[in-house]
Amino acid sequence: SAVISQKPSRDICQRGTSLTIQCQVDSQVTMMFWYRQQPGQSLTLIATANQGSEATYESGFVIDKFPISRPNLTFSTLTVSNMSPEDSSIYLCSAVDSLSSGNTIYFGEGSWLTVV
Amino acid sequence: AQRVTQPEKLLSVFKGAPVELKCNYSYSGSPELFWYVQYSRQRLQLLLRHISRESIKGFTADLNKGETSFHLKKPFAQEEDSAMYYCALSDTDKLIFGTGTRLQVFP
Repeated sequence: SAVISQKPSRDICQRGTSLTIQCQVDSQVTMMFWYRQQPGQSLTLIATANQGSEATYESGFVIDKFPISRPNLTFSTLTVSNMSPEDSSIYLCSAVDSLSSGNTIYFGEGSWLTVV
Repeated sequence: AQRVTQPEKLLSVFKGAPVELKCNYSYSGSPELFWYVQYSRQRLQLLLRHISRESIKGFTADLNKGETSFHLKKPFAQEEDSAMYYCALSDTDKLIFGTGTRLQVFP
């Protein structure tokens, strides 16, 4: 199994600022993903973080707003840029454990951002 | 387009009653389906997957391709089953989630 740690766990941010969320996995994983869970809503995939190349974004999400890095197989960052109150959400990192049988997808505890 | 639908936002039952959380999907290929659970103040975790055909914490789910459904069932609900339940579909390793159903089990 894979254990995923996210930092920060929560933060209150000023409108117009940017915040970077870090995601660390305790083992090498094939794929890492970033999801958003807005209050009372389900999880929406933002992008797939690709190791050594640009992230693959889902419809409605763009690199300028959510730049993502993945320098190696165990670490990724998501930046929420130029934040507005609509960006208040839980941001979740997830990863596929390539070493176990089947594609078991694990989740971090989430980073709860409030934009004021 | 790939889609997962959970028609019920909230399902309330008494302890010992049967539970069925509904999930329907739309997928062009051969789907791989999951149920994830999120207990209060805990991270999202895998409950079960259709490939395993297993029973976890008394829950089972059968993939019905004819009805494009993957309903989650438990014959006798327990208070500790109270949580958010998400049905999800795997599309080339990424997960597409339904909107979730909150299960409340009253004593």
